[in-house]
Amino acid sequence: SQQGEEDPQALSIQEGENATMNCSYKTSINNLQWYRQNSGRGLVHLILIRSNEREKHSGRLRVTLDTSKKSSSLLITASRAADTASYFCATDYSGYSTLTFGKGTMLLVSP
Amino acid sequence: DGGITQSPKYLFRKEGQNVTLSCEQNLNHDAMYWYRQDPGQGLRLIYYSQIVNDFQKGDIAEGYSVSREKKESFPLTVTSAQKNPTAFYLCASSIGGLSNQPQHFGDGTRLSIL
Repeated sequence: SQQGEEDPQALSIQEGENATMNCSYKTSINNLQWYRQNSGRGLVHLILIRSNEREKHSGRLRVTLDTSKKSSSLLITASRAADTASYFCATDYSGYSTLTFGKGTMLLVSP
Repeated sequence: DGGITQSPKYLFRKEGQNVTLSCEQNLNHDAMYWYRQDPGQGLRLIYYSQIVNDFQKGDIAEGYSVSREKKESFPLTVTSAQKNPTAFYLCASSIGGLSNQPQHFGDGTRLSIL
């Protein structure tokens, strides 16, 4: 399967702490995207990082991409209870015209 | 506000019955997608359409059918041939048919077997 793998599967932290999620993939990509899904809802796009970029920021989010290790990380700083959700990486593999989603990391932020 | 509307939110299917899930978008997006999500799993692509009157099979198209007669609409039919249809179905759209564009999602339809 070409599916990316997020790590860890679940993460539980306290409000104010930082949360780091990782995504590994198997073959070369054009870009990688991160999405958030609240329970019972659709996915919301967070950030897109291209294969020639190493780091990207958006508010409290920081995404890194290491194409040599075929991995990406999503860092959420100063977590809030509202950040409780599942987070998915989606890869745009070279030669494919669609995204491939991983299984996600479930993040629980306790007040 | 622009967005994607999926209906119904919950749907129940009897054995041997076909059911149709609705997906409408007013974002003026060219591309639309249908995904299936099982508990604790990621999204798997069922069908996608990059332009009106054209669509392509995804990874798990068997037992499903779609149509794209209008830019705004991309209904999914779950046929009786789909033996394990219980899942959360998500519709998405993007500006172009390229995978370097963010996808916008509806809030899903949860399908269960009676």
